[in-house]
Amino acid sequence: RKEVEQDPGPFNVPEGATVAFNCTYSNSASQSFFWYRQDCRKEPKLLMSVYSSGNEDGRFTAQLNRASQYISLLIRDSKLSDSATYLCVGRGSGGYNKLIFGAGTRLAVHP
Amino acid sequence: EPEVTQTPSHQVTQMGQEVILRCVPISNHLYFYWYRQILGQKVEFLVSFYNNEISEKSEIFDDQFSVERPDGSNFTLKIRSTKLEDSAMYFCASSGQRGETQYFGPGTRLLVL
Repeated sequence: RKEVEQDPGPFNVPEGATVAFNCTYSNSASQSFFWYRQDCRKEPKLLMSVYSSGNEDGRFTAQLNRASQYISLLIRDSKLSDSATYLCVGRGSGGYNKLIFGAGTRLAVHP
Repeated sequence: EPEVTQTPSHQVTQMGQEVILRCVPISNHLYFYWYRQILGQKVEFLVSFYNNEISEKSEIFDDQFSVERPDGSNFTLKIRSTKLEDSAMYFCASSGQRGETQYFGPGTRLLVL
């Protein structure tokens, strides 16, 4: 099983839509979790951390279900500027906390 | 806002040549990382560095790779004899403490011909 697995998409949605991304993880990537955003040919940028209690940052909501080893990201009221690849990331359970990246889910928001 | 910087932004080299990729982490950070991303693939961990030594490395980080912090600000990745398959975007990252957010530099795009 891949350490962090995501649906690659692409997700093509109109402006204003709500879109949800899912991610599953294995035990080796299970210490803590994040969603990063990556624009084409750019570096990953932290979008938000993911907590078991769920957390919200404006239009973005992240959830973690440790029992199912499942992480989600919900984007409400999509903007054109949300078009990017969203990376589900786990922190390794050993060593010095390397990040383990999923392959990313591509989102395209159109007018 | 402090940021991680990397030079060069692009590097083209011949197979078998040595390359050095440079990074300046955020100034008060203590943990440093290199990741790479082959075109169209996921970001992969290469190595982490703390207290002037490698703390963890991946299978990719073989004897052709080395890292160094030659002074108080730079953090370098050296590839001794480049292969075609080393062509990728190389990202440097740093964090203040173990477990804190890792901030990524803009990357160096390496093309090996």
